[in-house]
Amino acid sequence: DIVMTQTPLFLPVTLGQPASISCRSSQSLVHSDGKTYLSWLQQRPGQPPRLLIYKISSRFSGVPDRFSGSGAGTDFTLKISRVEAEDVGVYYCVQGTQFPQECTFGQGTKLEIK
Amino acid sequence: QVQLQQSGPGLVKPSQTLSLTCVISGDSVSSNSGAWNWIRQSPSRGLEWLGRTYYRSKWYYDYAISVKGRISINPDTSRNQFSLQLNSVTPEDTAVYYCARDKGRVYPFDYWGQGTLVTVSS
Repeated sequence: DIVMTQTPLFLPVTLGQPASISCRSSQSLVHSDGKTYLSWLQQRPGQPPRLLIYKISSRFSGVPDRFSGSGAGTDFTLKISRVEAEDVGVYYCVQGTQFPQECTFGQGTKLEIK
Repeated sequence: QVQLQQSGPGLVKPSQTLSLTCVISGDSVSSNSGAWNWIRQSPSRGLEWLGRTYYRSKWYYDYAISVKGRISINPDTSRNQFSLQLNSVTPEDTAVYYCARDKGRVYPFDYWGQGTLVTVSS
């Protein structure tokens, strides 16, 4: 089974400052087609999750460009260039490489404003 | 714009069947590019994918190993909706249940329902 490990689990950030979340998978997420299917979700308080980033670094429709994704193989990062109040919530990485045989989410990183 | 609207009871007794429905607008349950998922979220298990159904000339079903044998996801083309049935529930099945669309590995879970808290208790 693929295990997705996020760090940190709790991330206090000052408004306007950058934030970075790491996601590590227990095995490579490179698919047999050569692509890597790693996505990031944002869950604001009281809301369902929302797709932010897909295929490591592509922003989903309507996602502000202060969000960016990077990484390869087993190590991935979500960055927010300047945190805004509306960014408060929990962020999850999710692998799609072995979907649907296996669908694995990270445990979540809670971002709050200092 | 795709919208998913969930409905169903918030309280189910142990050993009974949990049933939820997700009505789709802005897309079709019979879409040749989308798939229709159920995902749940609890403090103890985090986000857990349960299964999905999709249509590619015929209907397909994928279920998570953790609930296989207890789960059924069924499309209803006349109402453009799909449903979840989870049998023989226990308190460990208490969670917020979400329906969500995926468009394959590239766009996992791009649209979500609002969520339904289901509590399993006598």
